[in-house]
Amino acid sequence: GAVVSQHPSRVICKSGTSVKIECRSLDFQATTMFWYRQFPKKSLMLMATSNEGSKATYEQGVEKDKFLINHASLTLSTLTVTSAHPEDSSFYICSATKPDSGSDTQYFGPGTRLTVL
Amino acid sequence: QQPVQSPQAVILREGEDAVINCSSSKALYSVHWYRQKHGEAPVFLMILLKGGEQKGHEKISASFNEKKQQSSLYLTASQLSYSGTYFCGTGGVGNQFYFGTGTSLTVIP
Repeated sequence: GAVVSQHPSRVICKSGTSVKIECRSLDFQATTMFWYRQFPKKSLMLMATSNEGSKATYEQGVEKDKFLINHASLTLSTLTVTSAHPEDSSFYICSATKPDSGSDTQYFGPGTRLTVL
Repeated sequence: QQPVQSPQAVILREGEDAVINCSSSKALYSVHWYRQKHGEAPVFLMILLKGGEQKGHEKISASFNEKKQQSSLYLTASQLSYSGTYFCGTGGVGNQFYFGTGTSLTVIP
């Protein structure tokens, strides 16, 4: 199997605070993880590609100082939304690919719904 | 870089067929198809790795035209459980992966 978990599943925070979201691959080692955000009734927008042991590659328009990504181990990547504002409220989803699988099939976490008050 | 899907939305009666198209302006190395239910993460349906490849999963199949940089998803004899938003996803150079604009599919009795 290929199970990816996210924690927390739902978080509500005050404007100006920071929120950390964890993404874990439970039964495989993921050299690459992806972070997406999704607004209501919209598609998933790739925010960054996270490679274990190196700096994340951010998509154009995504502030790297605001969305801090750390991929410290082969099973864990974290996304920290710093100084969150109401416009950061969104559904954040991570995914991981299995190395040596012969394909780039994405295995998704269940998502984290962030609400900034 | 985001692939464009058509139609944006479609409503079907149970048992009817539908086709969802996905077009990219960039060269495609692979095409994925996912279905997402409201409030949930996307669920993988299938991946096509080769130009011209066709795959099937129960009554859902897909084709990949590498030259035209397009893929199509075919849903036959639709069931109520097919309702959701369908996304294509495309892999390009490097590790980047982009989702299409999405197609909302509603199957009614």
